[in-house]
Amino acid sequence: AQSVAQPEDQVNVAEGNPLTVKCTYSVSGNPYLFWYVQYPNRGLQFLLKYITGDNLVKGSYGFEAEFNKSQTSFHLKKPSALVSDSALYFCADDYKLSFGAGTTVTVRA
Amino acid sequence: EAQVTQNPRYLITVTGKKLTVTCSQNMNHEYMSWYRQDPGLGLRQIYYSMNVEVTDKGDVPEGYKVSRKEKRNFPLILESPSPNQTSLYFCASSSRDRGDTDTQYFGPGTRLTVL
Repeated sequence: AQSVAQPEDQVNVAEGNPLTVKCTYSVSGNPYLFWYVQYPNRGLQFLLKYITGDNLVKGSYGFEAEFNKSQTSFHLKKPSALVSDSALYFCADDYKLSFGAGTTVTVRA
Repeated sequence: EAQVTQNPRYLITVTGKKLTVTCSQNMNHEYMSWYRQDPGLGLRQIYYSMNVEVTDKGDVPEGYKVSRKEKRNFPLILESPSPNQTSLYFCASSSRDRGDTDTQYFGPGTRLTVL
């Protein structure tokens, strides 16, 4: 069974608005959590990771993610979305390297 | 340049014809793995390898084989492909600092169609 879940198949936002992509985990202990992005016809690219320390992790392309232990969540956020952020986003954890099903983000101009 | 390469990038084949998809990394990573990506299912791990001559099944290993004779290479073998193995395949590698896997680096993907 997957140990991370992405509850939304799709997220649609207008350019300039905040973007949030949700991820919850079910790994016990201290999880290592990752976010990857896949642009059309491309492989997966690493965005950011949480291992330990600050709950707010900053990554590539202006993205950040907040680790919340009480809610077992690791949501990906961007304060102001761009059309070029339209892609497929995956949350993953280090336990058996499980990936979520992915969330398709569409940012409209 | 650090990278994971896969070949071929695209392949159309017929049922039952053995094929191999190669994967190579130049980062001296211990850990390598294979995933398949299908719509609505995300990435599912097929096999992984902790190091040379050490391999283990992932979540969907049926119909696949792997080998790890050298650290840099981790080929995926389909002895008798079937149409349900039509998918997009990704190879990945990572180091194992602190006993845990670190950031995975992915290959560009191989789109396989089995007729």
